[in-house]
Amino acid sequence: KAGVTQTPRYLIKTRGQQVTLSCSPISGHRSVSWYQQTPGQGLQFLFEYFSETQRNKGNFPGRFSGRQFSNSRSEMNVSTLELGDSALYLCASSLFRGGEQYFGPGTRLTVT
Amino acid sequence: GQNIDQPTEMTATEGAIVQINCTYQTSGFNGLFWYQQHAGEAPTFLSYNVLDGLEEKGRFSSFLSRSKGYSYLLLKELQMKDSASYLCAGQLGVTGANNLFFGTGTRLTVIP
Repeated sequence: KAGVTQTPRYLIKTRGQQVTLSCSPISGHRSVSWYQQTPGQGLQFLFEYFSETQRNKGNFPGRFSGRQFSNSRSEMNVSTLELGDSALYLCASSLFRGGEQYFGPGTRLTVT
Repeated sequence: GQNIDQPTEMTATEGAIVQINCTYQTSGFNGLFWYQQHAGEAPTFLSYNVLDGLEEKGRFSSFLSRSKGYSYLLLKELQMKDSASYLCAGQLGVTGANNLFFGTGTRLTVIP
C-alpha cells in the first residue's frame, strides 16, 4: 500500500505570494492533518480534515487555510507569504480520527 | 494551556538501553504518542498509550502515567540506526480528535 504523498517536495516563493500544497492520504484513510515544522518551534498542528470538513484548527493566522476533497485528498493554502512561513509542511493521514497518524515526506517551503 | 517537556539531547552506547522521558502539563490529553524522526525525513509512528501502563513493541516500549503527566520511551539493544529525534506528542481535544501537540523532541545519538 502506498504511503502518504505530498507535492511538491520543494518550493521557493517570494514574500507576498501565495502557495498551495497537496497531500494524498494512504488509500482508505479519511482523516488528514497538517503540521508545520521549524527548527525553533518544532512540530505545530495546523488543521485536521475529516469527511471534507475542518474538525480542528491550530493557532495560526487566517492566511493558512485548507480543504479536503471527496476522495480524501487535501490541499493547504498560504496567502501573502512571510519569511517566517519558511518551514517543512507535513501532512499526516489516519484511518479514523484519533488513530495512528502516518506522515508524508513533507513539502519544504522557502520564502525569500 | 499545554506544555510538553523532553530532554533536548541524549547519548547512549550501541547495545545499551536508553529511557527518554516526557512530562506534560495539560488538561485534555486523551493519549500520548511517540514518533521517531531521522534527520531530513518525516516522523514515523512508534507507539500510542491511552491507558496507564506499559506498551511493549519489540525493542521499543512506552509507559504512561496520566495522573503524574509522565511518559517514557524505552529503547533496548540500541542500534546505530536508532540515532534520531524522538518526539512525544499529546492527543488533544475530544476523543477521536487528530490534534497532536508535540514536544520539541529528544535527539538521541548512539555511539559505538
